Amino acid sequence: DADVTQTPRNRITKTGKRIMLECSQTKGHDRMYWYRQDPGLGLQLIYYSFDVKDINKGEISDGYSVSRQAQAKFSLSLESAIPNQTALYFCATRSSGEVGEQFFGPGTRLTVL
Amino acid sequence: GIQVEQSPPDLILQEGANSTLRCNFSDSVNNLQWFHQNPWGQLINLFYIPSGTKQNGRLSATTVATERYSLLYISSSQTTDSGVYFCAVELRSNDYKLSFGAGTTVTVRA
Repeated sequence: DADVTQTPRNRITKTGKRIMLECSQTKGHDRMYWYRQDPGLGLQLIYYSFDVKDINKGEISDGYSVSRQAQAKFSLSLESAIPNQTALYFCATRSSGEVGEQFFGPGTRLTVL
Repeated sequence: GIQVEQSPPDLILQEGANSTLRCNFSDSVNNLQWFHQNPWGQLINLFYIPSGTKQNGRLSATTVATERYSLLYISSSQTTDSGVYFCAVELRSNDYKLSFGAGTTVTVRA
């Protein structure tokens, strides 16, 4: 089984709809991240969490919110989706401490019509 | 913020050829990772290499932290090596967040 899972893997929605992307991990890591990748570009950080009570904004948090329901679960919500939020979304995890490697989920391909 | 520059932006190889991808960064980093994004969009961890040299099969990587660059070597390339290669760096002073380069798109032709 994959260590970092994302649901759904693909989603098509309409402008103005609320949508939630979910991430679960079995690596036992405290730190979790949400990234967005636009076509042909690198990844940009939306939100990150160091533990259940510690949530921080990344570079592009406008239009998004997150919830850290447990150490293993981190959800990303688009309250009112718009077409320019069409992108590939990745969740990632990392252990705490100075030294740590980030591990990524398989991604969610979101299309907003 | 930190600048991460990858070169070349695009690379076309004949199967069996060798190549070198470069990543330059503008500040001292505590971690550096190389990823391969396959044509299906999945990000695969290749190396976690804040300094030194590592090898994994036909791939190897070297990071010279004091000179702020890292190199990824692909030897005897195969069509399955096609995709985008990303370098990402992490700074303690930036809350241990990963900053990604724009990537190098590699196409290996049979």
